[in-house]
Amino acid sequence: GAVVSQHPSRVICKSGTSVKIECRSLDFQATTMFWYRQFPKQSLMLMATSNEGSKATYEQGVEKDKFLINHASLTLSTLTVTSAHPEDSSFYICSARTWGNTEAFFGQGTRLTVV
Amino acid sequence: AQSVSQHNHHVILSEAASLELGCNYSYGGTVNLFWYVQYPGQHLQLLLKYFSGDPLVKGIKGFEAEFIKSKFSFNLRKPSVQWSDTAEYFCAVNARAAGNKLTFGGGTRVLVKP
Repeated sequence: GAVVSQHPSRVICKSGTSVKIECRSLDFQATTMFWYRQFPKQSLMLMATSNEGSKATYEQGVEKDKFLINHASLTLSTLTVTSAHPEDSSFYICSARTWGNTEAFFGQGTRLTVV
Repeated sequence: AQSVSQHNHHVILSEAASLELGCNYSYGGTVNLFWYVQYPGQHLQLLLKYFSGDPLVKGIKGFEAEFIKSKFSFNLRKPSVQWSDTAEYFCAVNARAAGNKLTFGGGTRVLVKP
């Protein structure tokens, strides 16, 4: 099956710094990528949808200036958490799908801890 | 608001018991339905999916789900659970009416006692 790889799997950063999370589709071209956030013991909440070469579409309540998403190629999307605060600590998950397909494939997630 | 609802937040059962997890959605029109499993400390894995055709879908690890369009439901079942089925289960819906975004239910945490 299709493989989506996220890096890093865990990251700890200091408050006020920025963190970049990468999401790569290893064996298919991901025309659309999704970024989710999962709080402990809760479900996945969609943060934004990005189409290759276009600006990301953010869900209501998600600050686009804080969560910068870049999808510059068909195999890579990045999420940068800018000026991170402890409340940004969470599990971030990406998923990717190719054009015309409904099924998306998930990365293994990145656990961000802001101290 | 349009949503995906999973009725049970926690389920505890013994090995060999049967499992049924409810999932209802509120989107009209064309939908694609999914069940994902998240084992402790691991990432999401697809259990099964429904796009069209036979409304009874068989997935991996002995799981199946039935799409009942009139009830807007896609319940997950397993006749006999094992301890290794302890995990969190998420129903998800991709609806054209919602811009083809995958929306997740709240999840059901299943604990199977040995």
